[in-house]
Amino acid sequence: GESVGLHLPTLSVQEGDNSIINCAYSNSASDYFIWYKQESGKGPQFIIDIRSNMDKRQGQRVTVLLNKTVKHLSLQIAATQPGDSAVYFCAENIGGSQGNLIFGKGTKLSVKP
Amino acid sequence: DTEVTQTPKHLVMGMTNKKSLKCEQHMGHRAMYWYKQKAKKPPELMFVYSYEKLSINESVPSRFSPECPNSSLLNLHLHALQPEDSALYLCASSLRLEKLFFGSGTQLSVL
Repeated sequence: GESVGLHLPTLSVQEGDNSIINCAYSNSASDYFIWYKQESGKGPQFIIDIRSNMDKRQGQRVTVLLNKTVKHLSLQIAATQPGDSAVYFCAENIGGSQGNLIFGKGTKLSVKP
Repeated sequence: DTEVTQTPKHLVMGMTNKKSLKCEQHMGHRAMYWYKQKAKKPPELMFVYSYEKLSINESVPSRFSPECPNSSLLNLHLHALQPEDSALYLCASSLRLEKLFFGSGTQLSVL
């Protein structure tokens, strides 16, 4: 299930299950979105991106869905593995040509073996 | 080479010290970034360099001074920092102003 802690929402899933991480973005003019994975002690690692002219994009075991009507982004991870445990951030590009990438609050994914 | 390399990995400094953080990439990226990240918080943009020119400064205090000597290098000079500046400082680069590749960061502690 999903719970909101004092600082970071947490999603706990069983190994092998599918995970869905949600993100609400702020600016209706944002035209580019990215999902990053950040493990403890490391920098954010690129997972998948999507432009505003698309509503779905698939990668290896991951799918990003974009709903511009309600300004909502989601990341689906199929067959979640212990190595997927990390904090996941969505980010939106609100600057267009200026590179102003703004990160969402993040969700901590914990995978139980 | 698909890495962004940051040095040092850890840094402890006093409030009167002057230190520099360094970042290097050899991917031919023409945009480089500094982000600050506090524990359990998302990264916050500080500076953006595009083609070696400062294009974004997110109202960062002058005790942080960025420098881009060439297209592969980015420095962040630190002077008279405060304890609340303790954080993970992340460097990133991108080919265009979109998909950013991050380094592992410098964990900074200001005493």
